[in-house]
Amino acid sequence: EPEVTQTPSHQVTQMGQEVILRCVPISNHLYFYWYRQILGQKVEFLVSFYNNEISEKSEIFDDQFSVERPDGSNFTLKIRSTKLEDSAMYFCASSAEAPSWGQMYEQYFGPGTRLTVT
Amino acid sequence: AQTVTQSQPEMSVQEAETVTLSCTYDTSESDYYLFWYKQPPSRQMILVIRQEAYKQQNATENRFSVNFQKAAKSFSLKISDSQLGDAAMYFCAYMVDDKIIFGKGTRLHILP
Repeated sequence: EPEVTQTPSHQVTQMGQEVILRCVPISNHLYFYWYRQILGQKVEFLVSFYNNEISEKSEIFDDQFSVERPDGSNFTLKIRSTKLEDSAMYFCASSAEAPSWGQMYEQYFGPGTRLTVT
Repeated sequence: AQTVTQSQPEMSVQEAETVTLSCTYDTSESDYYLFWYKQPPSRQMILVIRQEAYKQQNATENRFSVNFQKAAKSFSLKISDSQLGDAAMYFCAYMVDDKIIFGKGTRLHILP
């Protein structure tokens, strides 16, 4: 069964450093997402991406964050200058379509990348 | 504001028994989707069951079923014949447009 993959599984970085989290969505999917889960807290939406553009972003997704689909398979989340509070599990997800009336397209989640900022 | 509330931070159930996890949500939308996700210690998000708001019939997936009360904005998950492998964090979630909003989760313990 096709699945979303994410690399690395665990990333440790120093405060102020740039980090890139990588995701390979399911191959025929068109919509891509990043979510974040700070340890012990709920999963929070960061951004959705379609047709090489951000569709929607949350308040968390400030200028320090960016997303990119550099080729036909990868979808990346970049944090320019990491802060201690960026330590979290980051989940990538993809779906074939965006939901519309009467149709739901499931978002498939990857296994997550655990980011630790020291 | 769109919010999802899970009022039970932790629950325990005896193996083979039935447990119900509660969830309420707040929305002004009429077209949306509801989910229950399971997050085991590996922290992967696994979709357990989903419900379309326009469907009156409650979704069922093997031992998992929901009680969807649209007017009350309530969406509870029932797990029948609980198994040790059901032990996990369970998140109730709501999707409108293409964004999923999660509750804070309920940690479910299965007692052997």
